[in-house]
Amino acid sequence: GAVVSQHPSWVICKSGTSVKIECRSLDFQATTMFWYRQFPKQSLMLMATSNEGSKATYEQGVEKDKFLINHASLTLSTLTVTSAHPEDSSFYICSAKAGGVPEQFFGPGTRLTVL
Amino acid sequence: AQSVTQLGSHVSVSEGALVLLRCNYSSSVPPYLFWYVQYPNQGLQLLLKYTSAATLVKGINGFEAEFKKSETSFHLTKPSAHMSDAAEYFCAVAEGGYSTLTFGKGTMLLVSP
Repeated sequence: GAVVSQHPSWVICKSGTSVKIECRSLDFQATTMFWYRQFPKQSLMLMATSNEGSKATYEQGVEKDKFLINHASLTLSTLTVTSAHPEDSSFYICSAKAGGVPEQFFGPGTRLTVL
Repeated sequence: AQSVTQLGSHVSVSEGALVLLRCNYSSSVPPYLFWYVQYPNQGLQLLLKYTSAATLVKGINGFEAEFKKSETSFHLTKPSAHMSDAAEYFCAVAEGGYSTLTFGKGTMLLVSP
């Protein structure tokens, strides 16, 4: 149980284009989903928290107009990197949490490379 | 504010030796504590969690951790390392259990034959 998937697992795009990453909770309803960014050999940096049907809450320093988050259902959240630039290249990981439990379950991550 | 400190960015052990990964936390309220493992180019997998019940918590793959309030610690141990344990390990804290997670910087466990 508690499986979270991400799609795509890796993506290469040209500078200036937009990329959408999907995060799905496969066997539970995720009242809250989180998006993280991880640089090589570093820890996870929380980008934003989203609750189903509400606007995402972004961490300080994260551009909400650049990283668009949608949490339209209890099993799906999407992160869209708009007008991507090489500095946006990173490993993006989502996690999902059901109501009433403290732990987060993580997706396998998406490697984004912007050329 | 909550924070996590993991002592040692790298820990090296021989196969069959004891594994000890250190984690200290700070929290203004009773914390919920977690250990996650990350294999290369993968997401995080929950190893175990402390949620204010038993202070000695057993997890998957033979790992366990002990919550020590007086020492504000939650060290991860395994009696006998296996080659497949080589990975990055992250300690995390959530204040009150339902807030966001704060991660430590991670400890890379290296296992030699």
